[in-house]
Amino acid sequence: DGGITQSPKYLFRKEGQNVTLSCEQNLNHDAMYWYRQDPGQGLRLIYYSQIVNDFQKGDIAEGYSVSREKKESFPLTVTSAQKNPTAFYLCASSPRTGPYEQYFGPGTRLTVT
Amino acid sequence: GENVEQHPSTLSVQEGDSAVIKCTYSDSASNYFPWYKQELGKGPQLIIDIRSNVGEKKDQRIAVTLNKTAKHFSLHITETQPEDSAVYFCAASSRDDKIIFGKGTRLHILP
Repeated sequence: DGGITQSPKYLFRKEGQNVTLSCEQNLNHDAMYWYRQDPGQGLRLIYYSQIVNDFQKGDIAEGYSVSREKKESFPLTVTSAQKNPTAFYLCASSPRTGPYEQYFGPGTRLTVT
Repeated sequence: GENVEQHPSTLSVQEGDSAVIKCTYSDSASNYFPWYKQELGKGPQLIIDIRSNVGEKKDQRIAVTLNKTAKHFSLHITETQPEDSAVYFCAASSRDDKIIFGKGTRLHILP
């Protein structure tokens, strides 16, 4: 059963703590993405990766970090430097970057108090 | 860079009527325009897309039109049903290989 998975679905953290969100795909896609979704704001790109061991900042990368050690995995760390970390985080993948369908995971809702 | 504007932000239509969501984009180099549907608590799913070499595409009750000259594209849903209630996002490809999303339209289908 091919697809993209994110875990956990809900995550709660105290302010000042780093937290890592998981994203795994078995679609054999080269490109992977992280988006942040806030009410009325659409999808904003945090980081993306075109290939293993390579990634680029998106529009709102400050306070976030990523790694791409394996083709299947693209974890996102929300650091304590991120001023407003509470949001819905979506991971996506596509065969490659550019004009192709992106397949989204179910999302992780992060709440920081 | 590319900018995508989407209207309206909220749309309510009677079940059985049609719904239209409109988007504009800024970069004339954009050549791919997908539409995504997001149900509550889930990730977006592609419902239809169109490339710049065609002006219209249909898939059952859903159609998308593209006017490259005016940099407009629209989603049309006919004979709306309760399961069409969701948030819809338009998007456009950018010249630096990203997909830029609109802010979304919350569609309510009224019984």
